[in-house]
Amino acid sequence: DARVTQTPRHKVTEMGQEVTMRCQPILGHNTVFWYRQTMMQGLELLAYFRNRAPLDDSGMPKDRFSAEMPDATLATLKIQPSEPRDSAVYFCATQAKNNSPLHFGNGTRLTVT
Amino acid sequence: GNSVTQMEGPVTLSEEAFLTINCTYTATGYPSLFWYVQYPGEGLQLLLKATKADDKGSNKGFEATYRKETTSFHLEKGSVQVSDSAVYFCALNEGGGADGLTFGKGTHLIIQP
Repeated sequence: DARVTQTPRHKVTEMGQEVTMRCQPILGHNTVFWYRQTMMQGLELLAYFRNRAPLDDSGMPKDRFSAEMPDATLATLKIQPSEPRDSAVYFCATQAKNNSPLHFGNGTRLTVT
Repeated sequence: GNSVTQMEGPVTLSEEAFLTINCTYTATGYPSLFWYVQYPGEGLQLLLKATKADDKGSNKGFEATYRKETTSFHLEKGSVQVSDSAVYFCALNEGGGADGLTFGKGTHLIIQP
């Protein structure tokens, strides 16, 4: 069963440190989404790519967050510098084509102290 | 813009009870509608979907009917099990472009033996 793989599963870091989260999409899925989940805000779309090109990152704080897709097998989300308010679970989800279901990874739980 | 409103939780039921989780939406076009389920420590998984008015999505004993006249997509199950305990998310996709899903805030369902 093909699945989206996210690493690391958990990350604890101190405020000010750089954090990099990685996502391996399902082979052949051309659209990759980054979501953030918190108790207060629920699921928020941060950014997404289609065919490795960024399409929308309006949900992302641009001064500290960056999302890239260096190749079709890897998407990254970086936070530099990290802040305690960034503590959340970050999900990568991929989609084979328009209107098809999203497939989610198991998330990276980030804690910034 | 698009939005999804679902009933707040937690919803606590006894095993074999009837379940309804309400979901209403606001969209400018003709969205596809989805229910996703999230088990502890995991990402979201597609439970069921409906792509046009009056369609009924069903899976694992759950079902939901796309009601355009009431802009609703309520989730139902006739007899819940302890293993159904999870967080349930209603979502919509406007279609046309892969702009991801707009999610409701989630409803935590707790089934007691």
